[in-house]
Amino acid sequence: NAGVTQTPKFQVLKTGQSMTLQCAQDMNHEYMSWYRQDPGMGLRLIHYSVGAGITDQGEVPNGYNVSRSTTEDFPLRLLSAAPSQTSVYFCASSNLDRGVIGAFFGQGTRLTVV
Amino acid sequence: KQEVTQIPAALSVPEGENLVLNCSFTDSAIYNLQWFRQDPGKGLTSLLLIQSSQREQTSGRLNASLDKSSGRSTLYIAASQPGDSATYLCAVIGQGNLIFGKGTKLSVKP
Repeated sequence: NAGVTQTPKFQVLKTGQSMTLQCAQDMNHEYMSWYRQDPGMGLRLIHYSVGAGITDQGEVPNGYNVSRSTTEDFPLRLLSAAPSQTSVYFCASSNLDRGVIGAFFGQGTRLTVV
Repeated sequence: KQEVTQIPAALSVPEGENLVLNCSFTDSAIYNLQWFRQDPGKGLTSLLLIQSSQREQTSGRLNASLDKSSGRSTLYIAASQPGDSATYLCAVIGQGNLIFGKGTKLSVKP
């Protein structure tokens, strides 16, 4: 059982480039989300989804897009990368029961924008 | 807006000590609370999940308690070992999503 899989693990981008961070889960979880982790800031929610076709913004959504066409996949798109988006990105998934029950996390993508 | 605070930010103890990590939150209307461990350069590993109807959960040497009315949770680690060295994060789960504290960095010295 793979759980939550993120690709790539590492990425270096030039300012202005675009890219997609991939996230896939094989647990049939309704809820998926993206966080970024920065020193001194903790984990902050970027976007989340409570099911296929449904997405919403979190605390820091600017500069990122998401879509959820299937239950399994929740890609995060950087439209025009900026140095401020240098961070470690984590994808999480969970079942829902009135709210998120408990989350499983991927291993993270370390992104550097130069 | 829910805010989660973890105290202390860092802790260094000798091997074998029992220790307590603290987590406080400002809005008691939560569904669940989850404790995670994060090793350097790695992802988050779930340690314990306490549902709102529960007061504590135990797993091996770990025990987590939850007091919703006071907005507090504690993670108790018994007989600490060097392998316990990591950052410990607590996250409260409300209607929407997980809100994280900034973590306690634990170092257990042999």
